[in-house]
Amino acid sequence: GEDVEQSLFLSVREGDSSVINCTYTDSSSTYLYWYKQEPGAGLQLLTYIFSNMDMKQDQRLTVLLNKKDKHLSLRIADTQTGDSAIYFCAEIFSGGYNKLIFGAGTRLAVHP
Amino acid sequence: DGGITQSPKYLFRKEGQNVTLSCEQNLNHDAMYWYRQDPGQGLRLIYYSQIVNDFQKGDIAEGYSVSREKKESFPLTVTSAQKNPTAFYLCASSPTYASAPSQHFGDGTRLSIL
Repeated sequence: GEDVEQSLFLSVREGDSSVINCTYTDSSSTYLYWYKQEPGAGLQLLTYIFSNMDMKQDQRLTVLLNKKDKHLSLRIADTQTGDSAIYFCAEIFSGGYNKLIFGAGTRLAVHP
Repeated sequence: DGGITQSPKYLFRKEGQNVTLSCEQNLNHDAMYWYRQDPGQGLRLIYYSQIVNDFQKGDIAEGYSVSREKKESFPLTVTSAQKNPTAFYLCASSPTYASAPSQHFGDGTRLSIL
């Protein structure tokens, strides 16, 4: 079945690294995504990784993919208060029409 | 600037009333989607459309209807049959053929019951 799971809450100190974890079930997913949602706003695409990659780095963001364990993580280096938001992991449904399956989101709180 | 515009930002529905949420995109994307977001939950797909004049039910289509008469527009009607319509509604679009078929989102409409 289709399912994406994330822990619901993460609290970090400003300047530390944040690691948000996600597990997914569809081993045929070709792409996995991380989206950010600020209060009252839509989702903003942060980054994505193709399933044949293990890692992708984009400035402060590092995505790690473990296909064997179906585990995806997003690391934010030097976390700032502006990073406080909900982060959604999503996999693309292998059955077609570019359907995304979303996790419930991880609320990241950054404190001084 | 290209993007997706949802309106209104806030909407209130009376008992037995149908309401329509607007979604317009100028990204020239073929595919459009409607999602519902409830607190503490991920997004759930209501309807999607891959091309003009065609749309398909998603996971929670009951009580909702859509139309796709123009490429740019994909309005969602929340009918009186939807007994629990209070939620945040998000519209998205994506190119059908792309190296990484990511979806772009509007800023959402928050629907509440009066």
